[in-house]
Amino acid sequence: NAGVTQTPKFRVLKTGQSMTLLCAQDMNHEYMYWYRQDPGMGLRLIHYSVGEGTTAKGEVPDGYNVSRLKKQNFLLGLESAAPSQTSVYFCASRPGSTGELFFGEGSRLTVL
Amino acid sequence: AQTVTQSQPEMSVQEAETVTLSCTYDTSESNYYLFWYKQPPSRQMILVIRQEAYKQQNATENRFSVNFQKAAKSFSLKISDSQLGDTAMYFCAFLSGTYKYIFGTGTRLKVLA
Repeated sequence: NAGVTQTPKFRVLKTGQSMTLLCAQDMNHEYMYWYRQDPGMGLRLIHYSVGEGTTAKGEVPDGYNVSRLKKQNFLLGLESAAPSQTSVYFCASRPGSTGELFFGEGSRLTVL
Repeated sequence: AQTVTQSQPEMSVQEAETVTLSCTYDTSESNYYLFWYKQPPSRQMILVIRQEAYKQQNATENRFSVNFQKAAKSFSLKISDSQLGDTAMYFCAFLSGTYKYIFGTGTRLKVLA
């Protein structure tokens, strides 16, 4: 069972470069989320989606964009990467009927 | 605004002993969910236990149990018979309404052989 899959798992970027993180889930979940995890700060919500074609800002959305063109995919984009965006990024999904989040394995991004 | 506080950044426990991780939260909502998630060194987050606020009975999952004190807004996790595989970061989380989870900053637990 694949669950939630994130690609790539690791990436190194130079300041100003752009990239896209892909999250794919095969559980037909309605809700999808992008979090970043930094030492001592727990998980902070970047953007989320409550269904295909919808997106909304979380608590730290600046510098990121997202799209959910298909129900199973949630893309996180960095248009012009900055060193402050060095972090581990987690995608998660959940069905509408329960509260449990299902997480991907995380993507470690380093911006030099 | 809702907040979740984990006041213990790091803890350690001897194998086979019992340990309790603390979590407090702040909300004006009456209906919500509380969770404990585990993040082992492999990095993937997995659900340990869940509590619905309307249920008075504390949730239990094998060696893991919670002490849910709604009036005090406290939600602690007790791990009994600790095992080396319990070594991980533990996050307390709150869910109210439909969309947003709020996570605490985590407690790093180390189980000592």
